[in-house]
Amino acid sequence: QKEVEQDPGPLSVPEGAIVSLNCTYSNSAFQYFMWYRQYSRKGPELLMYTYSSGNKEDGRFTAQVDKSSKYISLFIRDSQPSDSATYLCAMSYDTGRRALTFGSGTRLQVQP
Amino acid sequence: ETGVTQTPRHLVMGMTNKKSLKCEQHLGHNAMYWYKQSAKKPLELMFVYSLEERVENNSVPSRFSPECPNSSHLFLHLHTLQPEDSALYLCASSHNPGGGGELFFGEGSRLTVL
Repeated sequence: QKEVEQDPGPLSVPEGAIVSLNCTYSNSAFQYFMWYRQYSRKGPELLMYTYSSGNKEDGRFTAQVDKSSKYISLFIRDSQPSDSATYLCAMSYDTGRRALTFGSGTRLQVQP
Repeated sequence: ETGVTQTPRHLVMGMTNKKSLKCEQHLGHNAMYWYKQSAKKPLELMFVYSLEERVENNSVPSRFSPECPNSSHLFLHLHTLQPEDSALYLCASSHNPGGGGELFFGEGSRLTVL
């Protein structure tokens, strides 16, 4: 079993739709949860960052963490063609020298 | 220059060649990383350097040899690679090498091994 599972897509939605992206994980030690966005031919960039359980909102983006279910989500409201990218979930332990553990990424296409 | 820069952006090499990937960060960070990104697979952590000391090596084959001469520069020396090593190699940096820190990535070096 992979540590982090993420549906690779592609996910195609019309402009203005609400998008839901999800990851599940197996290791309950993860404490920090992140979403990175990666445009074609670019490196990933941090989009959302949450610690432990709960919701965090930033503009059109909402990150949700449910540690009891080992499940994290990213919601995009009023999706735009510029949101077309690959979205990577990532998570890490509380301390130590472990770097991030990533999902395989979901490719999102927002059709104008 | 700002952020994390990687050169070359594209590299094609034969299995017997020796080449190097270069990464430079202009963010004043203390930790630098090499990740491998293959199609439909999660980013694979290869190496972590903290203050020029290698602190993590994720069972990477010896044909990949990292070098960190100072906290701003990171190299990945490549020799006798295999076709399955073709991938996007991403360099990243962070303030410290702990969990929970944001990683800043470069745009990657696309490697093709013939």
